Amino acid sequence: DAGVIQSPRHEVTEMGQEVTLRCKPISGHNSLFWYRQTMMRGLELLIYFNNNVPIDDSGMPEDRFSAKMPNASFSTLKIQPSEPRDSAVYFCASTLLGGDQPQHFGDGTRLSIL
Amino acid sequence: QKEVEQDPGPLSVPEGAIVSLNCTYSNSAFQYFMWYRQYSRKGPELLMYTYSSGNKEDGRFTAQVDKSSKYISLFIRDSQPSDSATYLCAMSRGISGGYNKLIFGAGTRLAVHP
Repeated sequence: DAGVIQSPRHEVTEMGQEVTLRCKPISGHNSLFWYRQTMMRGLELLIYFNNNVPIDDSGMPEDRFSAKMPNASFSTLKIQPSEPRDSAVYFCASTLLGGDQPQHFGDGTRLSIL
Repeated sequence: QKEVEQDPGPLSVPEGAIVSLNCTYSNSAFQYFMWYRQYSRKGPELLMYTYSSGNKEDGRFTAQVDKSSKYISLFIRDSQPSDSATYLCAMSRGISGGYNKLIFGAGTRLAVHP
C-alpha cells in the first residue's frame, strides 16, 4: 500500500522566496496533520484537517504560514516570505479519525532557507 | 516545563543488550501512549500503542505505562544494529471532540553497535 507521499524531499531556497510543500495522504484517511521537526523544538503540530476542513491551526507560527486541503487526496503548506528560521523538516501525517487509529507519517521535506 | 520529557541521549549499547527508553509527563489526562521509531531521513513510524496503564508486548518490544507515576517505558530485548534509530514517545488525551492531538517527546537517539 502507498503511504503518505510528500514532495519535494529537499528544498533549498533563498530568504524571501515562496515555498510550497505538498502532501498526498493515504487513500481513505480523513484526517491530515502537518508537523515541523527541529533539533531545538522537536516535533510540533502546525495544523490539523478533518474532512478537508482546518480544525486546529493554533500551531501555525505566524501569518507567513498557510495550509490548504482542496480535496481528500492533496494538501499544501505554503511559507511566504520564507526566513532562515523556517529551516526544518516538515512532515505530513494522515489517519482515519475514530477509535485508536494511529497517525502515519510521510518521509518529510527537508527545507533549508539561506 | 514541557508536557512530555524525554532524555535525548545518545544511548550506545552493544548488540544483544536490553535497552530501556523512558518518558515522563505532567498531564494526568493523557490516556493513549505511543512509541514511534524514526530512522535517519525518514518519517516516524508507529512501533507500539497502548491505552491507559499496563504492559504490551510485541516480539522483542515491550511497552509499559505507569499512570500513577506518569512514566512510560519501552524495552527492547536482544537489541540489533537495525534498531539504531531515534525513538519518540507520544501521548494524547484521547479523541474527545474527535481529535487525537499527539504531544511528542524530544526523542532518544539509540545506537546499537555489533
